[in-house]
Amino acid sequence: DQQVKQNSPSLSVQEGRISILNCDYTNSMFDYFLWYKKYPAEGPTFLISISSIKDKNEDGRFTVFLNKSAKHLSLHIVPSQPGDSAVYFCAASDFFSGAGSYQLTFGKGTKLSVIP
Amino acid sequence: DGGITQSPKYLFRKEGQNVTLSCEQNLNHDAMYWYRQDPGQGLRLIYYSQIVNDFQKGDIAEGYSVSREKKESFPLTVTSAQKNPTAFYLCASSMMTATDTQYFGPGTRLTVL
Repeated sequence: DQQVKQNSPSLSVQEGRISILNCDYTNSMFDYFLWYKKYPAEGPTFLISISSIKDKNEDGRFTVFLNKSAKHLSLHIVPSQPGDSAVYFCAASDFFSGAGSYQLTFGKGTKLSVIP
Repeated sequence: DGGITQSPKYLFRKEGQNVTLSCEQNLNHDAMYWYRQDPGQGLRLIYYSQIVNDFQKGDIAEGYSVSREKKESFPLTVTSAQKNPTAFYLCASSMMTATDTQYFGPGTRLTVL
């Protein structure tokens, strides 16, 4: 039973345009969400996070939106650059609710290709 | 330079052999984790440890063992009981604070011949 779902295995976007990566979750106890970026044969790199008390968090070209009622979050990259081509993982934690033990649940990832 | 190191980068093993993957961190993080990544799959948690001399099984612990004798080190042993050991193994650590961001090492690619 997948608690964190990234339904699009891949996404292609033209350089300079917006990339939107989506993530859905089923566990209502999740209260902290993260996005990681991963290149082949390397470890994931933390990108941006958001807690459930917010609906938006922005860091440079990266913005994460959270819709708690829909159990949906998205990562927007504007403008997209060829160096953004990587696999993006969505992850969720139930830290604040106290139900978890510092574990993250990951989606399967979305491979983003930014075309020059 | 703070970070997480994993060694070796590539590891080959014959069937039936145990092998130990190294993970060291100098970030002074309390918690450490081992994940496995297979093609087209997300990261699946093998084991985690929140404190020295204590660790818990994750979702796919069968065929693996760990130890946490020092705060900085969390080695993973892939035993011969693991049915499909060929995978990319990732180690991570975190502060266990309110913003529990896990930071990852570069990974070890294990191939069973």
